[in-house]
Amino acid sequence: KAGVTQTPRYLIKTRGQQVTLSCSPISGHRSVSWYQQTPGQGLQFLFEYFSETQRNKGNFPGRFSGRQFSNSRSEMNVSTLELGDSALYLCASSLEQVTRSEEQFFGPGTRLTVL
Amino acid sequence: AQKVTQAQTEISVVEKEDVTLDCVYETRDTTYYLFWYKQPPSGELVFLIRRNSFDEQNEISGRYSWNFQKSTSSFNFTITASQVVDSAVYFCALSDSFMDTGRRALTFGSGTRLQVQP
Repeated sequence: KAGVTQTPRYLIKTRGQQVTLSCSPISGHRSVSWYQQTPGQGLQFLFEYFSETQRNKGNFPGRFSGRQFSNSRSEMNVSTLELGDSALYLCASSLEQVTRSEEQFFGPGTRLTVL
Repeated sequence: AQKVTQAQTEISVVEKEDVTLDCVYETRDTTYYLFWYKQPPSGELVFLIRRNSFDEQNEISGRYSWNFQKSTSSFNFTITASQVVDSAVYFCALSDSFMDTGRRALTFGSGTRLQVQP
């Protein structure tokens, strides 16, 4: 069974641009969560999508948005990029909506560098 | 608010030494789950263990063992006879109530970088 895949793996953008990251969950998984990992802030929850609906949102500005398609694939968009958005963006999938007990399977991440 | 503290930023040991990674958590929930993840240099988080708040039994899996103590809000992870391949960043995480919605997300600790020297 294929794992969680994320594209692209590396991305370089300049301030003010926007970027779209993609995540394909494990086949059969309906929940996709996104996390941002930076040296300063660590791993922080961005949002979770389940059945094409955003069910959970972390404490990030509105520049960060996402969506989920009917095949459970998810995209994350960051508009008006700032230097501080440079990070590893991790996607995780789970079978059902994230609950206390759900194990999340993580992808390899997309490393975004903002110049 | 939920919080996970991993006070050890970096640990360096020599191969075959035992090493314990500490994790202390804070939560107001009576029902919650604790996790350990391993992040090798490739970046992908690898699930190691999940433990719910009602199960305080310690667990052993090969060279890995976990000590969950609710009284001290700790969920420590021990690697016995460490190997070079154990070198990675290890994260402890908590899943409990999320804000006011009651929905869940993982709150991660800051991670402990383990270096196992040959």
